[in-house]
Amino acid sequence: EPEVTQTPSHQVTQMGQEVILRCVPISNHLYFYWYRQILGQKVEFLVSFYNNEISEKSEIFDDQFSVERPDGSNFTLKIRSTKLEDSAMYFCASSIKKENYGYTFGSGTRLTVV
Amino acid sequence: AQSVTQLDSHVSVSEGTPVLLRCNYSSSYSPSLFWYVQHPNKGLQLLLKYTSAATLVKGINGFEAEFKKSETSFHLTKPSAHMSDAAEYFCVVRSDSSYKLIFGSGTRLLVRP
Repeated sequence: EPEVTQTPSHQVTQMGQEVILRCVPISNHLYFYWYRQILGQKVEFLVSFYNNEISEKSEIFDDQFSVERPDGSNFTLKIRSTKLEDSAMYFCASSIKKENYGYTFGSGTRLTVV
Repeated sequence: AQSVTQLDSHVSVSEGTPVLLRCNYSSSYSPSLFWYVQHPNKGLQLLLKYTSAATLVKGINGFEAEFKKSETSFHLTKPSAHMSDAAEYFCVVRSDSSYKLIFGSGTRLLVRP
């Protein structure tokens, strides 16, 4: 069964450093998403991406965050200057079309900012 | 604002007994509702979805959920729990105004031998 692959599974970074989280969506999917879950809190929507541009973003997704699909297969989330409160599990997801409600999620990247 | 409430943070059952995980939602329109499961160190896996077809939805691994509009509920059930069902379960509603998903806080299911 096709999978969404996320790397790394764990990342520790120092406050103020830039970090890039990587995702390989399912190859025929067209819509891509990032969600995050801070420990003990709900899974929250960050951003959706289609046709090489952001289609929706949440208030969490401020200027410190950016997304990119650099080579047609990878989908990345960059945090420019990490803060302690960015520590969370980050999930990538993809879907075939907007109307396909069954998004496929990756296994997540646990980011720890120290 | 739209929300999803999972009424139990933890549920513990014995193997072979029924499972009930409760979920209530708020939505202005006919909602799209989902249950996802997360096993340790794994991604979020779709169990089942309701998108205004039959109110009783069957999913994978013997799980099913019933949409009750009058009660704004979408409880997840399984007749007989298996040890492999131990995981975190998330009730999710699609936003009325966009395609983003709104998650409940999760219910951790423990299955005792």
